[in-house]
Amino acid sequence: KAGVTQTPRYLIKTRGQQVTLSCSPISGHRSVSWYQQTPGQGLQFLFEYFSETQRNKGNFPGRFSGRQFSNSRSEMNVSTLELGDSALYLCASSPRDRGNGYTFGSGTRLTVV
Amino acid sequence: DAKTTQPNSMESNEEEPVHLPCNHSTISGTDYIHWYRQLPSQGPEYVIHGLTSNVNNRMASLAIAEDRKSSTLILHRATLRDAAVYYCIQGTDTGNQFYFGTGTSLTVIP
Repeated sequence: KAGVTQTPRYLIKTRGQQVTLSCSPISGHRSVSWYQQTPGQGLQFLFEYFSETQRNKGNFPGRFSGRQFSNSRSEMNVSTLELGDSALYLCASSPRDRGNGYTFGSGTRLTVV
Repeated sequence: DAKTTQPNSMESNEEEPVHLPCNHSTISGTDYIHWYRQLPSQGPEYVIHGLTSNVNNRMASLAIAEDRKSSTLILHRATLRDAAVYYCIQGTDTGNQFYFGTGTSLTVIP
């Protein structure tokens, strides 16, 4: 059974650019969440999608956005990149609603220069 | 914001049991208690979760206090591969958003 796939694994962008990260959840999983991990702030919740609808959003500026497609694949976009956006971005999927375990991908390492 | 409290670090000898504590004094009646662990250079890995009763799986056991304000993750025989940061998370009642705290860094001594 394939796990959660995130692409690309590594990315280097210049300040001011925008970036799109992709997440393919485990087949049959309808819930997808995104997290940002940095050494200073740890793991922080970005947003969660279920059946193409954003259900929850963390405390991040509007430059961070996401969407989920009908096949449950999800993308997140960061516009006008800042140096502080350098982080590991993790995607996690779950087969159903609350109380269920999440499977995380290995993440996309974004470096903003 | 993280709603759980864990010790920053713990040590255990290899092949001995490990008890990782977690306090979640503000937990609501419908919140689950989740445990994840993160090995270096990897995404978090699901360990176990529960609501009220103690739970067991092939990785660990979860002992939940009767008042649900604390829980303990039990690794029955620690191995070197169990060295990781362990996160205890109180699941929200509005969806699947996890607020990770700083977790407990477990060191396993050979």
